[in-house]
Amino acid sequence: DAMVIQNPRYQVTQFGKPVTLSCSQTLNHNVMYWYQQKSSQAPKLLFHYYDKDFNNEADTPDNFQSRRPNTSFCFLDIRSPGLGDAAMYLCATSIGSGGKTEAFFGQGTRLTVV
Amino acid sequence: RKEVEQDPGPFNVPEGATVAFNCTYSNSASQSFFWYRQDCRKEPKLLMSVYSSGNEDGRFTAQLNRASQYISLLIRDSKLSDSATYLCVVNKADYKLSFGAGTTVTVRA
Repeated sequence: DAMVIQNPRYQVTQFGKPVTLSCSQTLNHNVMYWYQQKSSQAPKLLFHYYDKDFNNEADTPDNFQSRRPNTSFCFLDIRSPGLGDAAMYLCATSIGSGGKTEAFFGQGTRLTVV
Repeated sequence: RKEVEQDPGPFNVPEGATVAFNCTYSNSASQSFFWYRQDCRKEPKLLMSVYSSGNEDGRFTAQLNRASQYISLLIRDSKLSDSATYLCVVNKADYKLSFGAGTTVTVRA
């Protein structure tokens, strides 16, 4: 059974039209991450939550926002998608205890901007 | 300097061969280390965790050298199914995961 679920798997949005990607987990993990991955590049951390504490990366554009209404769900909002935002968006979770823990990834949402 | 650096490859090896590659990390405070495997257009999946000097899981061996700040992955008796991109991941105490750009391995028949 999938433990980290991302919806949708594929999303096509228009340039400038807000879009929301969702992630849910059944692991009850404290930490949830959002990564952006472009072709042949490393996943780039956008932000992460430890419980309700939000941690934004310094170079994450303001165009990207996130919400975590409860332990199980986390959302990525792209307020005005540009062509450069087309990428795979990966959600991951980890227990968050002392750094000695692996992360579990969802299958990703592939975003196309037209 | 990038936090995690990997030789991008590609490493093109015949079936049955041994292939090894390294990953270097810049933050000496890093606490734990992982190798993930990523197939084309799929999500990363955990291959191995490396918490001490290293560990072995079947045909895969990971080594950690804290003094020189690198991690290695060795694959013995390569299978066609080992063809993938291998991502080195470093987890710092603040729960952030830093990824390398990946090493591509292609195993040919």
